Amino acid sequence: NAGVTQTPKFQVLKTGQSMTLQCAQDMNHNSMYWYRQDPGMGLRLIYYSASEGTTDKGEVPNGYNVSRLNKREFSLRLESAAPSQTSVYFCASIGTSGGGNTGELFFGEGSRLTVL
Amino acid sequence: EDQVTQSPEALRLQEGESSSLNCSYTVSGLRGLFWYRQDPGKGPEFLFTLYSAGEEKEKERLKATLTKKESFLHITAPKPEDSATYLCAVQARNTGKLIFGQGTTLQVKP
Repeated sequence: NAGVTQTPKFQVLKTGQSMTLQCAQDMNHNSMYWYRQDPGMGLRLIYYSASEGTTDKGEVPNGYNVSRLNKREFSLRLESAAPSQTSVYFCASIGTSGGGNTGELFFGEGSRLTVL
Repeated sequence: EDQVTQSPEALRLQEGESSSLNCSYTVSGLRGLFWYRQDPGKGPEFLFTLYSAGEEKEKERLKATLTKKESFLHITAPKPEDSATYLCAVQARNTGKLIFGQGTTLQVKP
């Protein structure tokens, strides 16, 4: 059981370049999330998808776009990367019970992005 | 405003030296409070969910407790393998939004 899988694990970009972070989960979860983690800032929500076909902004959405391709996959795109987007990015899905979410997040291993 | 504050930021213990990590929160209606463990270079891993004041959960050397304003993660006789960053998060009842604290980095020396 793979859980949540993110690719790539590491990436170096130049300012202005674009890239897409891929995420897939095999737990049949409805809701998926993208977080960024910076030293001293904790985990901050970028975008989330409550269900297939829907996406919503989180706390820090500027400079990012997302696509919920199907129930399994949720991608994060940086259209024009900036040094401020240097961070560790985590994809997560949330457990469900009785029709609602449990609040228990299952995280991927992270994607470490450096923008020069 | 919903907020989560963890203290201390960093904690160094000797093996066997018990201690507690604190998570203080303000939220407009608590749906749940969550503790996660994060090892270096890895994603956070779920430990506990607490739903109401007075509730306690245990797992090996860890025990989590909850009051109306804070949660404690008690570590009894820690071992070096307990070294990690411990994250606390609260879920607001009305929005379902999860708010994370900044974490406490625990180092246990043999």
